[in-house]
Amino acid sequence: DAGVIQSPRHEVTEMGQEVTLRCKPISGHNSLFWYRQTMMRGLELLIYFNNNVPIDDSGMPEDRFSAKMPNASFSTLKIQPSEPRDSAVYFCASSLRTGPYEQYFGPGTRLTVT
Amino acid sequence: KQEVTQIPAALSVPEGENLVLNCSFTDSAIYNLQWFRQDPGKGLTSLLLIQSSQREQTSGRLNASLDKSSGRSTLYIAASQPGDSATYLCAVEASGANSKLTFGKGITLSVRP
Repeated sequence: DAGVIQSPRHEVTEMGQEVTLRCKPISGHNSLFWYRQTMMRGLELLIYFNNNVPIDDSGMPEDRFSAKMPNASFSTLKIQPSEPRDSAVYFCASSLRTGPYEQYFGPGTRLTVT
Repeated sequence: KQEVTQIPAALSVPEGENLVLNCSFTDSAIYNLQWFRQDPGKGLTSLLLIQSSQREQTSGRLNASLDKSSGRSTLYIAASQPGDSATYLCAVEASGANSKLTFGKGITLSVRP
């Protein structure tokens, strides 16, 4: 298996622009997680899905952030409009909810908003 | 609210030393605990997962222990090597049907040749 795939790996955009991050989970996994990592705050869970349904989005910082999972093999995280404080590394992870629950992480997308 | 603490934030040891990385958490009602490794500019790699009913897990030179009642876990690395240099994060998964991981900020380990 190719593991969790994220694209793009790097994104540089100007403040106010829309940003879309993409994730393909490991085939067969039915839980998907979006995290954000910064030096100041560490790794924070933004939202997670079970069987394509959003379960907990309490970590989504503002209405500017939205996430979708239209099918079991694809998810997007969108920021609109983007702001400099959104600059971070965004990780997607997937797991199998029937056990053993280990989360497998993608390589991340490094977002820089200028 | 669950809080996970890893102290110290950084550690430097000479090659060959056995070392222990500590993790503490405030809410003992956890489902499992995972230790991850993160190399610079990379994603996280799961090292060990301990279910709440278990006391420890071993993989090669790594041994992780869990004491739920005291809210502590340790990751023991035997005979450290320069290739072990990385950031090590622990994360706890809350009990419940729909649970999520809460991460510590990690310990950055440097093993000197």
